[in-house]
Amino acid sequence: GIQVEQSPPDLILQEGANSTLRCNFSDSVNNLQWFHQNPWGQLINLFYIPSGTKQNGRLSATTVATERYSLLYISSSQTTDSGVYFCAPTIAGKSTFGDGTTLTVKP
Amino acid sequence: DAGVIQSPRHEVTEMGQEVTLRCKPISGHDYLFWYRQTMMRGLELLIYFNNNVPIDDSGMPEDRFSAKMPNASFSTLKIQPSEPRDSAVYFCASSLGGNTIYFGEGSWLTVV
Repeated sequence: GIQVEQSPPDLILQEGANSTLRCNFSDSVNNLQWFHQNPWGQLINLFYIPSGTKQNGRLSATTVATERYSLLYISSSQTTDSGVYFCAPTIAGKSTFGDGTTLTVKP
Repeated sequence: DAGVIQSPRHEVTEMGQEVTLRCKPISGHDYLFWYRQTMMRGLELLIYFNNNVPIDDSGMPEDRFSAKMPNASFSTLKIQPSEPRDSAVYFCASSLGGNTIYFGEGSWLTVV
C-alpha cells in the first residue's frame, strides 16, 4: 500500500512562531487531507487539498501531487495549535494516515 | 448538523466479552469509515462502506471483528470475543462523495 511519511515527528515552538509541516507519499493519489488531533483526542479536518494551495486564517496548505508531497503552514502559532497533525492521502476512497507531527506551542 | 455520533464514548469490558460500537454518520453522507487508533500502530483504517456496501475490509485485524451497515444512518463494529490487545480508540467517520472526512469523537475501549 501507499507509504506516508510526515516530518518532523516532533516540533516545539514558542507562541508567535511560524512552522512548516511536510507530508511525503509514495503513490499518485486522488486527494489529500490534513487533520488536527487536539489534546482531548478530537480529529478535526483542516484541509481537503488534492492539489494547489488553500488558506484558512493562520493556516495554509499546499499539495504538489506530481511530486507527491504536501505542506502545512502554521503562522503566528498559538498554544491552542498544540496537538498532532496528520496528513491522509486517499486512493480510490481509501485514506491512509501518516504517523503525524506532534506540535507543542509554549506560551 | 449534529456531526458523526458514536456510542459508547467509553467502555471497559472483560476479556472474552462481546463489544458493540455504534455510529450514526452525518445525514446525507454516502461513505462511512471505521478507524482504530493505538500508540503502536497509529490510525488504521479497518473498513469502509459506500452506500451501505462494504468496499474494503482488508484492515479488519481478524475474524473476531465484524462490521455492518444495515442502513444509511447506522453502522456497528463488533468484537467477539474481545482481547486486551483490542484496547484502543475506535473512530467512525463519514464523508460525501469521498471528499472531506468528518470524524466522530471516538469510542475509548479498554479490555481487561
